[in-house]
Amino acid sequence: EAGVAQSPRYKIIEKRQSVAFWCNPISGHATLYWYQQILGQGPKLLIQFQNNGVVDDSQLPKDRFSAERLKGVDSTLKIQPAKLEDSAVYLCASSLFMQPPYNEQFFGPGTRLTVL
Amino acid sequence: EDQVTQSPEALRLQEGESSSLNCSYTVSGLRGLFWYRQDPGKGPEFLFTLYSAGEEKEKERLKATLTKKESFLHITAPKPEDSATYLCAVQSYLTQGGSEKLVFGKGTKLTVNP
Repeated sequence: EAGVAQSPRYKIIEKRQSVAFWCNPISGHATLYWYQQILGQGPKLLIQFQNNGVVDDSQLPKDRFSAERLKGVDSTLKIQPAKLEDSAVYLCASSLFMQPPYNEQFFGPGTRLTVL
Repeated sequence: EDQVTQSPEALRLQEGESSSLNCSYTVSGLRGLFWYRQDPGKGPEFLFTLYSAGEEKEKERLKATLTKKESFLHITAPKPEDSATYLCAVQSYLTQGGSEKLVFGKGTKLTVNP
């Protein structure tokens, strides 16, 4: 079974530029998550989708971050404009359901973003 | 607000030297506690879910246990390939103004020397 796919794997941009990340979840998984992981920290949830609807975006900096999940499958996360503090690894995860059982989340390899 | 504290921050063991990692948590109502393994440059890999106090789960050299306030990840006779960062996360029941999102600890970096 194919895992969660993410691209690009690495991205370097100047501050105030924009960037977009793409995620393809495990086939059949209804729930998709975007996390931000700063070096030395655990992942922090940015946004959670159930199919193509937003379940939780309480920690998403909405003045600069946006995300969408068209047709309930692939998702993109965008940052515009980027700040130095956005340098982090952006992880995408998916799960079959939101509640147990089968709510364990499976993560992609992440995109390492460096903002100069 | 849900909180997770993992200790120690880093642990260095000799091959075959058993030990335990600790995850202390504060939640309004625990729906589940998750353990993940993360290798450098990779996303977290799911290990276990524990749902209620007294529950235990095992996988190869790893055993996870759960009480009402903390969880332990016991590593028996570790090998160098067990070297990784181990993350603990909690999910609580949805409450008014709250969320069911996973809240992660900072992790314990385990190094097993041959």
